[in-house]
Amino acid sequence: AQKVTQAQTEISVVEKEDVTLDCVYETRDTTYYLFWYKQPPSGELVFLIRRNSFDEQNEISGRYSWNFQKSTSSFNFTITASQVVDSAVYFCALRGNNRLAFGKGNQVVVIP
Amino acid sequence: DAGVIQSPRHEVTEMGQEVTLRCKPISGHDYLFWYRQTMMRGLELLIYFNNNVPIDDSGMPEDRFSAKMPNASFSTLKIQPSEPRDSAVYFCASREGPRAYGYTFGSGTRLTVV
Repeated sequence: AQKVTQAQTEISVVEKEDVTLDCVYETRDTTYYLFWYKQPPSGELVFLIRRNSFDEQNEISGRYSWNFQKSTSSFNFTITASQVVDSAVYFCALRGNNRLAFGKGNQVVVIP
Repeated sequence: DAGVIQSPRHEVTEMGQEVTLRCKPISGHDYLFWYRQTMMRGLELLIYFNNNVPIDDSGMPEDRFSAKMPNASFSTLKIQPSEPRDSAVYFCASREGPRAYGYTFGSGTRLTVV
């Protein structure tokens, strides 16, 4: 069974601070895919990144960066120099057997 | 492409009434997924289709829930009779094929059962 754990439920930061969201996953599959989605207050789910299990390269996209460590089954997400527009719920997800399993999400509140 | 289109965006209904949620996937996408989001349970998969055929409906909570996909461009999720605990946001998502990576989600339908 696929399982995704996001331990921190709500995180508050002051604007311009960095924030890191932890994601730990469990799977028996040797090939799998990991995702991060953003859900702003308007409610839609916005795709941020996908990572294959055989590609452990870290990735940076603007102020966003991701650290994938297969040895610890973690796929952490960092927002650098946070902005008020980053306030949202962020979901980590794991795909296996055509099913996309989501973590419970991290509510990020950026205080101006 | 217009993306995945869900209707209605908001639905308020009385307990016991039938509710039908609709989804139009992206053209050419072979997979369609229905998810439900609640505070208590988060985002959970209800059912998914491949080439219009239901593949896994193990997430459908009760017999009151049913889903159909009569053709490649349309799917419905029906709740009959509805109950207050069905209040949630229901998302539809589609994906291009078995090797495709990306899931595209619709904007969701916020259902309130009073």
